Amino acid sequence: DGGITQSPKYLFRKEGQNVTLSCEQNLNHDAMYWYRQDPGQGLRLIYYSQIVNDFQKGDIAEGYSVSREKKESFPLTVTSAQKNPTAFYLCASSMSLALNEQFFGPGTRLTVL
Amino acid sequence: AQSVTQLGSHVSVSEGALVLLRCNYSSSVPPYLFWYVQYPNQGLQLLLKYTTGATLVKGINGFEAEFKKSETSFHLTKPSAHMSDAAEYFCAVISGGNYGQNFVFGPGTRLSVLP
Repeated sequence: DGGITQSPKYLFRKEGQNVTLSCEQNLNHDAMYWYRQDPGQGLRLIYYSQIVNDFQKGDIAEGYSVSREKKESFPLTVTSAQKNPTAFYLCASSMSLALNEQFFGPGTRLTVL
Repeated sequence: AQSVTQLGSHVSVSEGALVLLRCNYSSSVPPYLFWYVQYPNQGLQLLLKYTTGATLVKGINGFEAEFKKSETSFHLTKPSAHMSDAAEYFCAVISGGNYGQNFVFGPGTRLSVLP
């Protein structure tokens, strides 16, 4: 089955620690995205990548970093610089950036203790 | 710049009643429009999409939406609500330009279905 996997489903971290969220897709999609979801605020774009070794900041990139070394993988690191990291994080992919629907993973809920 | 508004952050209907979730958008060029559904603690699932052609679009689970250019709307409907329809619904729009940042989501509408 083709799809997007995110791991772990739930993640806890202490303040001041960096943490990396995994996102893998086997849809052969070129473009990948990371969103943050907070209650009542919909989805906000953190980073996106249209091709391997290329990525762009979204609307709320501060305190986050990404890499795209392989087409199928787009990990997100939440750094200690992110002031309010507790949220639900969603990874998505699409065939390309241009006018294609996005397919979503199941999400990772990050809680900072 | 594109934007999406969804009237009503929370909508309640009785089981068997009509479901109507509203979506209005602003876009300077012809848009592609989408409705997604999200169940608690899950990712988003595509319900339906409008790209070109027929303005009445049918999706999964008995939902449909109509693109009305003159009203800049893309409202989601279902003739008869089922308990399993309780979820959050997001309208989204994409149009030309900086594609990566032009997939814009609305704030979402939480649908409750009462027995």
